[in-house]
Formats: sequence, C-alpha cells, structure tokens
Amino acid sequence: NAGVTQTPKFQVLKTGQSMTLQCAQDMNHNSMYWYRQDPGMGLRLIYYSASEGTTDKGEVPNGYNVSRLNKREFSLRLESAAPSQTSVYFCASSLGDGGREKLFFGSGTQLSVL
Amino acid sequence: RKEVEQDPGPFNVPEGATVAFNCTYSNSASQSFFWYRQDCRKEPKLLMSVYSSGNEDGRFTAQLNRASQYISLLIRDSKLSDSATYLCVVIRGGGSYIPTFGRGTSLIVHP
Repeated sequence: NAGVTQTPKFQVLKTGQSMTLQCAQDMNHNSMYWYRQDPGMGLRLIYYSASEGTTDKGEVPNGYNVSRLNKREFSLRLESAAPSQTSVYFCASSLGDGGREKLFFGSGTQLSVL
Repeated sequence: RKEVEQDPGPFNVPEGATVAFNCTYSNSASQSFFWYRQDCRKEPKLLMSVYSSGNEDGRFTAQLNRASQYISLLIRDSKLSDSATYLCVVIRGGGSYIPTFGRGTSLIVHP
C-alpha cells in the first residue's frame, strides 16, 4: 500500500528556475496539503485542497501555485524559485471528514535554491 | 502570538525517566488535537489523538485542557528510541478544518 507518494526526493535549482513537486495518494482521501518545514519553524501550510476541484491558500502561499489535478494528485509549482524557498516540502492527505482524522505524509522533498 | 506554541527544548532525560510536554493553542474554536512524532527530518507520523477525557497508549498519556487551552503529552519509562521531535497539531473547527502544527519539542533520551 503506497499511501502518499511524493517526487522528487531531492532537487537543486538555480534562482529563477521553475519546477513542480508531484504528490499522489491512493487512499481515496478528499483533502490534500502542502507544507514546508524550515529549521526552528515547524511545518507551515502553503496551500491545501479540501476536496477535488478546490484549493485555498495557507499561511505561506507567496511564490507558489497548486493544482488539484484529480482526487489522487495535488501538485505544487514554483514559477521562479528564490533562495528563501530552500526548505523541506511535505505533501499530506486526510480523509477530509470533519477534521477529526489523521494526516498521512509523503516522505518529503529536500529543495535547495542557489 | 502563534496559533500553536510549544517549548522547542531540547529535553534531555535519562532512560527510564518520565517527561512531559505541553502545547498551547490560541483559537478557542479548535476542535481536534493530535501528537505527531518526527525523526530526523523524516515525515511526521501520528503518535496519538488527544481526547477530551484524556487517553493513554502504553507509556504515553495525552490530556486536553480546554479551559486553559493546552494539551499535554506524558512519556513514562523513556526509551532511547523515544528520542525524536514531538509535534502538536491542532485542527480548527468552523468548517475549514485546517491542521496547524506547533514548532515541535525535541526529546533526547540518553543511556
């Protein structure tokens, strides 16, 4: 059972380059999330999708865009990468049934922007 | 004030010790509470949910104090393998159900 699959695991970009982080879940979950984690900052929500067809900004959305391609897939795009976007990115999903269920996480993407 | 606050630690304890962490939250409409564990920048994994009446899972006990707006995690008989970062997660009510994480509390258990 794959759970949440996140790619790539590592990426190095130059300032101004673009890239898309991919996330897919096979648990038929309604809600999906993108977080970033920086030293001493905990996990901060970038964007989330409460259900297929909807996306909303989280705490730190600037510089990012997202697409909920279908129920399974939720991608995060950096249009013009900046060094401040160097971070570890986690995708997560949950059943989305009233906010009482647990989050399942992907294994993370370590992104460095030079 | 951050919505969810934790003491970052580290808490440095010997094997067999009892250790407790607190987590405070600012939004009184928060409805669900969890403790997650994270090892060395790996993905967070659910440790336990926190119920209003308090709950126990082996050596771990979680409690919720709605009046003072905090949750706690107690670990008894600490093991070396308990060394990790413990993340408090709070989910707002009111329809948005957004999970908000604390910064985490680092625990180091030494021989």
